[in-house]
Amino acid sequence: GAVVSQHPSWVICKSGTSVKIECRSLDFQATTMFWYRQFPKQSLMLMATSNEGSKATYEQGVEKDKFLINHASLTLSTLTVTSAHPEDSSFYICSARQGKGRYEQYFGPGTRLTVT
Amino acid sequence: KQEVTQIPAALSVPEGENLVLNCSFTDSAIYNLQWFRQDPGKGLTSLLLIQSSQREQTSGRLNASLDKSSGRSTLYIAASQPGDSATYLCAVPVTGGGNKLTFGTGTQLKVEL
Repeated sequence: GAVVSQHPSWVICKSGTSVKIECRSLDFQATTMFWYRQFPKQSLMLMATSNEGSKATYEQGVEKDKFLINHASLTLSTLTVTSAHPEDSSFYICSARQGKGRYEQYFGPGTRLTVT
Repeated sequence: KQEVTQIPAALSVPEGENLVLNCSFTDSAIYNLQWFRQDPGKGLTSLLLIQSSQREQTSGRLNASLDKSSGRSTLYIAASQPGDSATYLCAVPVTGGGNKLTFGTGTQLKVEL
């Protein structure tokens, strides 16, 4: 149980275009989802917290107009990187929490974004 | 601000050795600590979650301990195998940040035949 999927697993896009990444909880309802980015040989850095039905909360230094997050249902959150640039190339990982006193987070397999 | 450090940053051991990975955190007011494993280019797999009221948790060959007062946790891996090769991350909830996690710097483990 507690499986989280991400789609796509990797994507290459041209500079200036937008790309959408999906995060789904497959066998549970996730009241909260988190989006992280990870640069090579570095740890995960939290970008934003996404609560179903409300606006996402962004961490300091993360541009909310560039990284659009939508959490329209209890099983799906999306991250859209708008007007992507090469410096946005990174590994993006989402996690989901069941809520109701359950603290454990379950992580997706990640999405490798390369902007050319 | 919570800071989480892991030592060593990298470790290479022969197969069969028992080993200990260390995690230290600056703010001891945590309600749990989680250990994860990350394979290259992959997401995270949760290994163990220790609640603040617990001192240790065990799963198979893995044993994690937590000493809140000293701001430390250790992950003990018994009889290491090549399949254990991965990066191990510890994470604690952000102080006053609800369920957001602060991750450690990671330990890259290689178990050689």
